Amino acid sequence: DGGITQSPKYLFRKEGQNVTLSCEQNLNHDAMYWYRQDPGQGLRLIYYSQIVNDFQKGDIAEGYSVSREKKESFPLTVTSAQKNPTAFYLCASRGAQNNYGYTFGSGTRLTVV
Amino acid sequence: AQSVTQLDSHVSVSEGTPVLLRCNYSSSYSPSLFWYVQHPNKGLQLLLKYTSAATLVKGINGFEAEFKKSETSFHLTKPSAHMSDAAEYFCVVSDQPGGTSYGKLTFGQGTILTVHP
Repeated sequence: DGGITQSPKYLFRKEGQNVTLSCEQNLNHDAMYWYRQDPGQGLRLIYYSQIVNDFQKGDIAEGYSVSREKKESFPLTVTSAQKNPTAFYLCASRGAQNNYGYTFGSGTRLTVV
Repeated sequence: AQSVTQLDSHVSVSEGTPVLLRCNYSSSYSPSLFWYVQHPNKGLQLLLKYTSAATLVKGINGFEAEFKKSETSFHLTKPSAHMSDAAEYFCVVSDQPGGTSYGKLTFGQGTILTVHP
């Protein structure tokens, strides 16, 4: 079955370390997104990519970086510059294949210890 | 610019009673509107979407929502709550009309639905 896979499900990081969250999709979707979720704030857009080798900053890009070397993959790096990285991170993709609907992964919960 | 306001952060109902989750939006375009549901530590699942067709939209699990342009509202309803409906619900607007391109989503703050036996 097609879908989005985020790994790992839970991730612990020490302060000052960079960490990369994986997002892979086999839906052949062109567009991919990273959202951050904090209690009571809904989801906020970090970065998005509409095509391979191109991506744009979302509303809260500071302290994050991404790459889009392959259509299937859109990894997110949380750098040490991100002041408050503890959150639930959701990856999504979107394409013509499902009438431009969004498909979400199951998320990665990142905790800084 | 677009925004979404979910008017209640928490809603509590008894099993078998109606559910109403309220959402107001603002958008420069004729919007695409969505309701998503999220169970704890899970991704988001699409309940229903409005993309300028019928104003009463039926979704999965017995949910429906009515687009009211004059009130800029897109409230989510269900006639009879089930215990499995307990989750967090998000009202979402897309900045591209008709949902036919890769616009960004703007999420409401979420409404936590509690269902009592």
